[in-house]
Amino acid sequence: DAKTTQPTSMDCAEGRAANLPCNHSTISGNEYVYWYRQIHSQGPQYIIHGLKNNETNEMASLIITEDRKSSTLILPHATLRDTAVYYCIVRVGYTGNQFYFGTGTSLTVIP
Amino acid sequence: GAVVSQHPSRVICKSGTSVKIECRSLDFQATTMFWYRQFPKKSLMLMATSNEGSKATYEQGVEKDKFLINHASLTLSTLTVTSAHPEDSSFYICSARRRGLETQYFGPGTRLLVL
Repeated sequence: DAKTTQPTSMDCAEGRAANLPCNHSTISGNEYVYWYRQIHSQGPQYIIHGLKNNETNEMASLIITEDRKSSTLILPHATLRDTAVYYCIVRVGYTGNQFYFGTGTSLTVIP
Repeated sequence: GAVVSQHPSRVICKSGTSVKIECRSLDFQATTMFWYRQFPKKSLMLMATSNEGSKATYEQGVEKDKFLINHASLTLSTLTVTSAHPEDSSFYICSARRRGLETQYFGPGTRLLVL
């Protein structure tokens, strides 16, 4: 049911920017892109979401391509605590409320 | 804001018994709550959607008589695993959504081990 494709794993050097890509080529015009992350044995943590404009908050930036078929989550200065599985989600479902998680990207920040 | 709690954080029970897991939104009213399960090294799998005051909607393949969901108030939903068996052992996670917003806020999860 997941409508997104992400690389299985990525490494990033501590202090450098981590760029996590996501493909969502079948996204509909009114569907938002959400990013969450899950640190081992915890519930997912909300990071950011967007529709078509780039978004930035205290945690990350979200860059969505003009055709909305892909996006990139940017962690500007990765720390060891950013090591987690990152999920890109496009809201789908018969009532429009459900999130279906894909396999996500396991990001490892290396000292 | 947007804090969701779960209780208990972990539970061990004997096969055949029932286990209740609570999910609470602590600082907002949640018109919709969701229940997920997660097996080791796997992604989250949506089990059901629960709207306050109405029956839960279960995903295909999820037994509604085995996983009883109650959403009696705007801040509390419960998941009861009835007649639990070892294959029900898993990490159960709830999330809550505010009225009018799509963002879901997740609880810390409950680890269930059925012996």
